[in-house]
Amino acid sequence: DAGVTQSPTHLIKTRGQQVTLRCSPKSGHDTVSWYQQALGQGPQFIFQYYEEEERQRGNFPDRFSGHQFPNYSSELNVNALLLGDSALYLCASSALIAGETQYFGPGTRLLVL
Amino acid sequence: AQKITQTQPGMFVQEKEAVTLDCTYDTSDPSYGLFWYKQPSSGEMIFLIYQGSYDQQNATEGRYSLNFQKARKSANLVISASQLGDSAMYFCAMSPIKAAGNKLTFGGGTRVLVKP
Repeated sequence: DAGVTQSPTHLIKTRGQQVTLRCSPKSGHDTVSWYQQALGQGPQFIFQYYEEEERQRGNFPDRFSGHQFPNYSSELNVNALLLGDSALYLCASSALIAGETQYFGPGTRLLVL
Repeated sequence: AQKITQTQPGMFVQEKEAVTLDCTYDTSDPSYGLFWYKQPSSGEMIFLIYQGSYDQQNATEGRYSLNFQKARKSANLVISASQLGDSAMYFCAMSPIKAAGNKLTFGGGTRVLVKP
């Protein structure tokens, strides 16, 4: 039973560029959440997708957008990259049940130069 | 809004001893879930244990137990018989249970280093 997978594992971009990160949820899960973890901090919620729609959104600008596909996989897109976007981006999946535990992938480390 | 506070930035623990990681929280939600995750240097967040706010008994999962004191709004993690592989960052998190699939709010984490 495959867990949550993310690609790529590492990425280096320059300011102003755009980036797309990918996530495949754990088998049986239909909900994908994205988190940003800056160095030395706890993860911060970006947004959550269910049935191909954004259900919830954290305090992130519109430069951060996402998509969910019919097979429940998801993409996170960040436009006009800033140095401050350098972070570990974590994807978590769960079933849409109250109190259901979210399981995380290994993350994508993004460095913006 | 929900808030998680972890006041211990780092701790040393001797191998085979127990360690307690502190977590306090604040929320106005009547029902909520409390979680602990482990993050090794590789970066992946590994789920350890869950406690629902209306659960009568403290949660246990193998060597992990959660000391839940609702009146004090604390949810401390106890790791018994520490192993070298327990060296990692540990995060306390919470989510409301008023609706399905709610976001997690994390604390700042505690780094644990197990000494042989």
